[in-house]
Amino acid sequence: GQQLNQSPQSMFIQEGEDVSMNCTSSSIFNTWLWYKQDPGEGPVLLIALYKAGELTSNGRLTAQFGITRKDSFLNISASIPSDVGIYFCAGLNYGGSQGNLIFGKGTKLSVKP
Amino acid sequence: NAGVTQTPKFQVLKTGQSMTLQCAQDMNHNSMYWYRQDPGMGLRLIYYSASEGTTDKGEVPNGYNVSRLNKREFSLRLESAAPSQTSVYFCATGTGGSIRGYTFGSGTRLTVV
Repeated sequence: GQQLNQSPQSMFIQEGEDVSMNCTSSSIFNTWLWYKQDPGEGPVLLIALYKAGELTSNGRLTAQFGITRKDSFLNISASIPSDVGIYFCAGLNYGGSQGNLIFGKGTKLSVKP
Repeated sequence: NAGVTQTPKFQVLKTGQSMTLQCAQDMNHNSMYWYRQDPGMGLRLIYYSASEGTTDKGEVPNGYNVSRLNKREFSLRLESAAPSQTSVYFCATGTGGSIRGYTFGSGTRLTVV
């Protein structure tokens, strides 16, 4: 089935640093989504991308829908302690067989004050 | 508050015991999903229901059964729990082809001893 390769698997950074993570796939997706999961909670949607090449920001977060439609990137600028959590990418193909959304395995972010 | 409610939040079972995880949504979404989350494995789809009256297997359905009781409720049953089913279980809902992503509950943390 379809798979998303999300990297890096984990990051341990200093407060104030910028963060970059990405997802790649061998398949084309129509929509890319980025979620954040706080410790002990369910994932929450951060950003949704609907067009190839689209660049969208949400505060200090910026995400891009790759031109090839096979990848997406998430950047966090000037990280703060509350950015700690697991970030998931998800790709959507309309009419997929296993539900619609395919999730990456997540990037675990730790921030040192 | 609108959202997805999962019960119970925590559960410890002995091997061979059965239990049902409950999920209820008041978002009027058509689709509902059950995921399990294990360290380093991301979110794996167990079962989903595209609409009331239909259910389909996901990536890891073995050892589980589901019931879409009505539009609001989607339950997950473990008939004979095994230690390999120790995990965090998330229910999610979606609508409109899922282009806005899914809304997740806060999870059920299950330990099978």
